[in-house]
Amino acid sequence: DIQMTQSPSLLSASVGDRVTITCRASQGISQDLAWFQQKPGKAPKSLIYAASSLQSGVPSKFSGSGSGTDFTLTITSLQPEDFATYYCQQYYTYPPTFGQGTRLDIK
Amino acid sequence: EVQLVESGGGLAQPGGSLRLSCTASGFTFSNYWMTWVRQSPVKGLEWVANIRQDGVAKNYVDSVKGRFAISRDNAKNSIYLEMNSLRAEDTAVYFCVRIFLTSGSGIYDYWGQGTLVTLSS
Repeated sequence: DIQMTQSPSLLSASVGDRVTITCRASQGISQDLAWFQQKPGKAPKSLIYAASSLQSGVPSKFSGSGSGTDFTLTITSLQPEDFATYYCQQYYTYPPTFGQGTRLDIK
Repeated sequence: EVQLVESGGGLAQPGGSLRLSCTASGFTFSNYWMTWVRQSPVKGLEWVANIRQDGVAKNYVDSVKGRFAISRDNAKNSIYLEMNSLRAEDTAVYFCVRIFLTSGSGIYDYWGQGTLVTLSS
């Protein structure tokens, strides 16, 4: 199985900040990577697919990049509603696998 | 509006069975692959199984092969997860998810709210 490793696991930031989360795959996955946002007690919400394509309705403050094994999710101008846990996922091959998550907290 | 509503979760004993359901609305259900994803504090997010539009093609994570069965009824806009020989490690919130693009193992868009399965003797 392909292992997905996110860093950092915990990120503290302030409203208005720009943050970057990294996701690394244990083998090359082309650009078959998605990002999800999850708030406590809620289902994950799909943000990005194909490493950099925004899901419908997702604001452009979210952006993704990368290919092969290294990927990033960048969020600009943090607002209170952006503080959540973020997960990456590879869908390059079966089984699809998720990163362990990055919790974004208010500093 | 796309909606996915899961049901059927609850308390089960190790070795027991449960049947989860997910009813969809707001889109042409028969046009989409669907999948189950579970989440536990121990394992995090874990893909469980998916099913093609016609219900013929199915895929499972190794840990549930032979114990779980995914199925669908397009007339009822529903998918199901029959879970047998349940183990403690199956304790999780189970999400029903729509696959909107069939690239690789599938690209997800809409998620249900989840249903909790708890194993306890």
